[in-house]
Amino acid sequence: RKEVEQDPGPFNVPEGATVAFNCTYSNSASQSFFWYRQDCRKEPKLLMSVYSSGNEDGRFTAQLNRASQYISLLIRDSKLSDSATYLCVVNPSNDYKLSFGAGTTVTVRA
Amino acid sequence: EPEVTQTPSHQVTQMGQEVILRCVPISNHLYFYWYRQILGQKVEFLVSFYNNEISEKSEIFDDQFSVERPDGSNFTLKIRSTKLEDSAMYFCASNRLAETQYFGPGTRLLVL
Repeated sequence: RKEVEQDPGPFNVPEGATVAFNCTYSNSASQSFFWYRQDCRKEPKLLMSVYSSGNEDGRFTAQLNRASQYISLLIRDSKLSDSATYLCVVNPSNDYKLSFGAGTTVTVRA
Repeated sequence: EPEVTQTPSHQVTQMGQEVILRCVPISNHLYFYWYRQILGQKVEFLVSFYNNEISEKSEIFDDQFSVERPDGSNFTLKIRSTKLEDSAMYFCASNRLAETQYFGPGTRLLVL
């Protein structure tokens, strides 16, 4: 089983729509969880950390379900600039390396 | 805002040649990393470095790879004898203890 699995998409949504997707992780001892955003041929950039109680940052909401070992990201009121690949990232064993999912591609159309 | 920088942005080399990829981490960061991303694939961890030594490395990071912090600012990745399959984007990252890792813009390596 892969350490981090994501639905690759693509999710093709109109501007203003809500889009949500999940990621699952295999190591139940994982401590830290993140969503990064990656634009084509660019570096991953932190979108938000994911906390046990769930957290929101503007139009973005992240949830963590430890029992089922999944993380979700919801984007409200999608903008054209939200078009990117969203990377689910886990610190699997409380050391410092990060394990990346393969990414979920979101395309927001006008 | 401080950033991780990497040079060169692109590198083309012949199979069997040595390459050195350079990174300047954020100045007050203590932990340094190299990751790679083969085109169309996920980002993969290569190595972490702290207190002038490797703290963890992946299976990918074999004897052909080495890292060094030659001075107080640079962090380098050397590939001794490049192979075709080393073609990838190489990202450097840095952080302070248990904090978010910040990634540099990457070096695109093409091995011919």
